[in-house]
Amino acid sequence: EAAVTQSPRNKVTVTGGNVTLSCRQTNSHNYMYWYRQDTGHGLRLIHYSYGAGNLQIGDVPDGYKATRTTQEDFFLLLELASPSQTSLYFCASSVDWGDEQYFGPGTRLTVL
Amino acid sequence: AQSVTQPDARVTVSEGASLQLRCKYSYFGTPYLFWYVQYPRQGLQLLLKYYPGDPVVQGVNGFEAEFSKSNSSFHLRKASVHWSDWAVYFCAVNQGGRALIFGTGTTVSVSP
Repeated sequence: EAAVTQSPRNKVTVTGGNVTLSCRQTNSHNYMYWYRQDTGHGLRLIHYSYGAGNLQIGDVPDGYKATRTTQEDFFLLLELASPSQTSLYFCASSVDWGDEQYFGPGTRLTVL
Repeated sequence: AQSVTQPDARVTVSEGASLQLRCKYSYFGTPYLFWYVQYPRQGLQLLLKYYPGDPVVQGVNGFEAEFSKSNSSFHLRKASVHWSDWAVYFCAVNQGGRALIFGTGTTVSVSP
């Protein structure tokens, strides 16, 4: 069974704050993804990666950085958080781009 | 550009009744298509996936979906809904070497 974990599960910060969301997958998947989920928009791709050191821009990248440090670990960075980034963030992984994605439980971020 | 449309934001169905959730996609070529389910306070889980082949795909928990190239559709069906099917359902299409595009989701409510 694929395992994707995220931390923290909940985070509250203030406008201008610095936030790092963490994701780890233990299945040796090549691809990892960061999405945000908002009512009326479904899931939107922020960044993704196909291996350690690689980063690809998604559909809504503004205000986000990401880094893939190892095969297992993918981080999402918000360096100057804004209220518009209040959302539910999901990490996912897959063997290849067209394959089934396995999702983590999500991180709820609130920017005050 | 590729896209996915789920025209029904919310569907209410009686327990034991049948269910159909609609999904229309826009994709140049032969798509890979997916249905995911999100139970309350959880991440997304795969229900079923379509790779080119038999147009009717069986999934978990009695769900199935039918691919139609002529209608650009991938509708999800279940013959008899259970209260545990109360969830948000997402249709997704691959972006051709990039990542998945998700629809905005359909919330299914089950009435007794």
